Amino acid sequence: KNQVEQSPQSLIILEGKNCTLQCNYTVSPFSNLRWYKQDTGRGPVSLTIMTFSENTKSNGRYTATLDADTKQSSLHITASQLSDSASYICVVRGNFGNEKLTFGTGTRLTIIP
Amino acid sequence: EAQVTQNPRYLITVTGKKLTVTCSQNMNHEYMSWYRQDPGLGLRQIYYSMNVEVTDKGDVPEGYKVSRKEKRNFPLILESPSPNQTSLYFCASSLFGGGQGAHNEQFFGPGTRLTVL
Repeated sequence: KNQVEQSPQSLIILEGKNCTLQCNYTVSPFSNLRWYKQDTGRGPVSLTIMTFSENTKSNGRYTATLDADTKQSSLHITASQLSDSASYICVVRGNFGNEKLTFGTGTRLTIIP
Repeated sequence: EAQVTQNPRYLITVTGKKLTVTCSQNMNHEYMSWYRQDPGLGLRQIYYSMNVEVTDKGDVPEGYKVSRKEKRNFPLILESPSPNQTSLYFCASSLFGGGQGAHNEQFFGPGTRLTVL
């Protein structure tokens, strides 16, 4: 069964600090992995996307890494800001007949001043 | 502005009273989808449409209907809502369905918070 597991479920850090969110998946065969940011009460917005041949992708202060061998991804946030407070969702797309999206349950990140 | 719009944004209704949540996109996307989001469960797909007049069930289709008569619109219909359909609903669209291209980004609407009493 395709699964995407994220950790931690929630995280609180001080403004200006760095943090790393984790995503482990069992989806196979694998096509791509996206990280989304979802502000409270809003729709998810894509941050990064990586295919199996990419092992890192940056978007400003957000850097995602992918290890397709171990089926793990991480999202690193540098110099956090209050506006980073949101849920971060890992989404994996399969391939070759298994192309549906599988969503993680997200990590709720809270930045405190 | 390229966007996915949903209406209404908030809705409180009673058990059994038919309702429709509209979804529209202005990006000429072929693929559209409906999700529900519940605490601790993440986003779950209800129905999706690969193109006009082509719809298929997602993971949790029971109690819902959809139609795709035009490319831009994909309404979600609850014929007889029940309290277990209380949830946050998102419509999304992308250029194509399936795995065609890593940059086939899915754009989400702002969400519809539905409460069924």
